[in-house]
Amino acid sequence: GAVVSQHPSWVICKSGTSVKIECRSLDFQATTMFWYRQFPKQSLMLMATSNEGSKATYEQGVEKDKFLINHASLTLSTLTVTSAHPEDSSFYICSARDRARGSQPQHFGDGTRLSIL
Amino acid sequence: GQQVMQIPQYQHVQEGEDFTTYCNSSTTLSNIQWYKQRPGGHPVFLIQLVKSGEVKKQKRLTFQFGEAKKNSSLHITATQTTDVGTYFCAGADAGNNRKLIWGLGTSLAVNP
Repeated sequence: GAVVSQHPSWVICKSGTSVKIECRSLDFQATTMFWYRQFPKQSLMLMATSNEGSKATYEQGVEKDKFLINHASLTLSTLTVTSAHPEDSSFYICSARDRARGSQPQHFGDGTRLSIL
Repeated sequence: GQQVMQIPQYQHVQEGEDFTTYCNSSTTLSNIQWYKQRPGGHPVFLIQLVKSGEVKKQKRLTFQFGEAKKNSSLHITATQTTDVGTYFCAGADAGNNRKLIWGLGTSLAVNP
């Protein structure tokens, strides 16, 4: 149980393209999902907390107009990287918490490797 | 701001040797979680510690939560090559239980 599906796994696109990443909880409902960014051999950097039915809470230094988050249902959150540039290339991972099991732990998707040319 | 320090950053061991990674928080935690990330993979939840002084074991892995709920450790006995990966601790702040504060991780390499 507690499976989180993240799609796509890999994206390679030209500079200026907008990229949408989906995060789905397959067998549980998640009122809260989290979006992280991870650079090679570094820790997870929380970008934003996605709340079902309300606006996302962004961490300091993360541009909300650059990284659009939508959490329209209890099983789906999307992250859109708008007008992506090479410096946006990274590994993006989402995680979700099972609403029925309280606040912990977080279950992670497989991540999306984004490469902007 | 709130921080979780994790040491060491890297550790190379010979297969069969023990391994320990430590986490220290600047604030009191409501709980601490441990995750393992294999190279190229995503973090996988290992365990959660909630009580002061709690000790939990999973086969060769022993997890401890300090009495003050500000530090924690993960100890692996007799490492195997399958233990290779990065181990992260993540603390849930006592005042804001929703968000995890992540340590920088300890990358473990095991020589066969």
